[in-house]
Amino acid sequence: AQSVTQLGSHVSVSEGALVLLRCNYSSSVPPYLFWYVQYPNQGLQLLLKYTSAATLVKGINGFEAEFKKSETSFHLTKPSAHMSDAAEYFCAVNPNQAGTALIFGKGTTLSVSS
Amino acid sequence: EAGVTQFPSHSVIEKGQTVTLRCDPISGHDNLYWYRRVMGKEIKFLLHFVKESKQDESGMPNNRFLAERTGGTYSTLKVQPAELEDSGVYFCASSQKQGIHGYTFGSGTRLTVV
Repeated sequence: AQSVTQLGSHVSVSEGALVLLRCNYSSSVPPYLFWYVQYPNQGLQLLLKYTSAATLVKGINGFEAEFKKSETSFHLTKPSAHMSDAAEYFCAVNPNQAGTALIFGKGTTLSVSS
Repeated sequence: EAGVTQFPSHSVIEKGQTVTLRCDPISGHDNLYWYRRVMGKEIKFLLHFVKESKQDESGMPNNRFLAERTGGTYSTLKVQPAELEDSGVYFCASSQKQGIHGYTFGSGTRLTVV
């Protein structure tokens, strides 16, 4: 069965430090991959998506993610954390591309300290 | 354009009562999805409408949940009778095309059954 694993339910970084949120997926076919962010009291906002074009995907707010098929990974990075990046981040996969349901990871809460 | 709107934002009901959640998708989006996040768990797919038809309802937990999308516009999700384990955040999402462009999510309805 397809699944998404986000390593680390909580990640803490200092302002200005590198942000790395890990996501590994299992899928029998090349998937579409997404990162969503949820700020407090808000809905899920799409950060970026991989849909079989360039393997390095740039998103909003300075985030990017790289699709590595050999590692079945889609880690999210940002070179320099900002206080406003504190939120919960979700990795999700659409395993059969033309299908419907997204499969989500359990989420990673990012804390940023000054 | 207006986003996906969900209401109420919060609902607290007693076990055994009925609750109806509403979702207004982005105008023109034929695809409408319901997801749920129970505390501490991942966001899980409930069902998918294409216009007024149920395309996939494999994620509906049991027959106490009834989803409708009359006229292919807004959707309602009724829980009757509510149980304690139904507590969680219910998200609605919509999209123009299935899967590939990601989904626009609403802010969610936080349901608490006491």
